[in-house]
Amino acid sequence: NAGVTQTPKFRVLKTGQSMTLLCAQDMNHEYMYWYRQDPGMGLRLIHYSVGEGTTAKGEVPDGYNVSRLKKQNFLLGLESAAPSQTSVYFCATQASSGYNEQFFGPGTRLTVL
Amino acid sequence: QQQVKQSPQSLIVQKGGISIINCAYENTAFDYFPWYQQFPGKGPALLIAIRPDVSEKKEGRFTISFNKSAKQFSLHIMDSQPGDSATYFCAASWQGNNRLAFGKGNQVVVIP
Repeated sequence: NAGVTQTPKFRVLKTGQSMTLLCAQDMNHEYMYWYRQDPGMGLRLIHYSVGEGTTAKGEVPDGYNVSRLKKQNFLLGLESAAPSQTSVYFCATQASSGYNEQFFGPGTRLTVL
Repeated sequence: QQQVKQSPQSLIVQKGGISIINCAYENTAFDYFPWYQQFPGKGPALLIAIRPDVSEKKEGRFTISFNKSAKQFSLHIMDSQPGDSATYFCAASWQGNNRLAFGKGNQVVVIP
């Protein structure tokens, strides 16, 4: 079992370019999350999904869009990348609400020039 | 608004020493308090978690202490080893909630 995988692992974009980050899971978890991690800021929730076809905003949703067309995939899109979006992005999954562990992917390091 | 606050920001400990990281929270609805460990270049992973029906939980060299009245909980790493060098995040949630509130993280460096 692969667990939670993220594609790509690294990416460099120019300001204004667009891209999509893919998170895939094989654990049949209902909930999926996108976080960004910046030095001194911890993990900040961008968007999340509590099931196929549903998405919701987190703490820092501006400049990002998401889609959950299939249960196993959660896509994070940047329509017009900005240098402020330079960060490490983590996807996580959780079986259901409450006292459940979140499983994190290995991360995507994105640099916007 | 930061719902969970961690201190100190970074910690340097000698091998064999005790590492202590503290977290404070405001929301009294929280009733689940996990700690996540993150090694450089990796995603965070659950280390240990506690519910407030107990004041302490121990797993190997790692112990969570919980003080409900003070709204604080802490992670103790006994006999710290260089392999424990990582970033540690505290978090909080409650039954029925679908999100974790993370602290900003604490970098622990264990020197030989």
